[in-house]
Amino acid sequence: AQSVTQPDIHITVSEGASLELRCNYSYGATPYLFWYVQSPGQGLQLLLKYFSGDTLVQGIKGFEAEFKRSQSSFNLRKPSVHWSDAAEYFCAVVRGSQGNLIFGKGTKLSVKP
Amino acid sequence: NAGVTQTPKFRVLKTGQSMTLLCAQDMNHEYMYWYRQDPGMGLRLIHYSVGEGTTAKGEVPDGYNVSRLKKQNFLLGLESAAPSQTSVYFCASRTGQSRFTDTQYFGPGTRLTVL
Repeated sequence: AQSVTQPDIHITVSEGASLELRCNYSYGATPYLFWYVQSPGQGLQLLLKYFSGDTLVQGIKGFEAEFKRSQSSFNLRKPSVHWSDAAEYFCAVVRGSQGNLIFGKGTKLSVKP
Repeated sequence: NAGVTQTPKFRVLKTGQSMTLLCAQDMNHEYMYWYRQDPGMGLRLIHYSVGEGTTAKGEVPDGYNVSRLKKQNFLLGLESAAPSQTSVYFCASRTGQSRFTDTQYFGPGTRLTVL
């Protein structure tokens, strides 16, 4: 069965520091992977998605993610974090039979001034 | 173009009461989904619809019913609310062109508390 694991429940980084959020997936075939961000009290917004081709995917707000098949990972990165990036981040994989998303449990990002 | 909207934004119910959550999208999307979000659990699929007049069960359907009488609307009903249904409910929609590559667009959520 498809599953997504986000090992870090909560991460705190200083403003201006780099960021990496981890995501590991379990999927038998080619995974279709997404990263969403949820600001406090808001819905989910798509940051980026990976289907095939280049393993480094660029998204909105300066985020990127790298797909590594050998490690079953799809980690999200940002070179310099801004205070407005404080939010919860969800990694997800498409469930083929229904087209719905299987989400990880999320990583909450706090940003120190 | 409002995208995906949800009504109401907040609601408090007593155990045993019923209510309906409304999701509306103006993007002419075929597929619509209801998820619930609980702390430390991520989002889990309750029910979904692949088109007007169709509904299907997701991962956690018990205690909920849904209807899709119009393409743009997807209703989630709680017939007899229980405290375990305290959660944040999100609606999402996608075009239906590709189940793998479609982007799902989410509404702002409904925060439901059952006392």
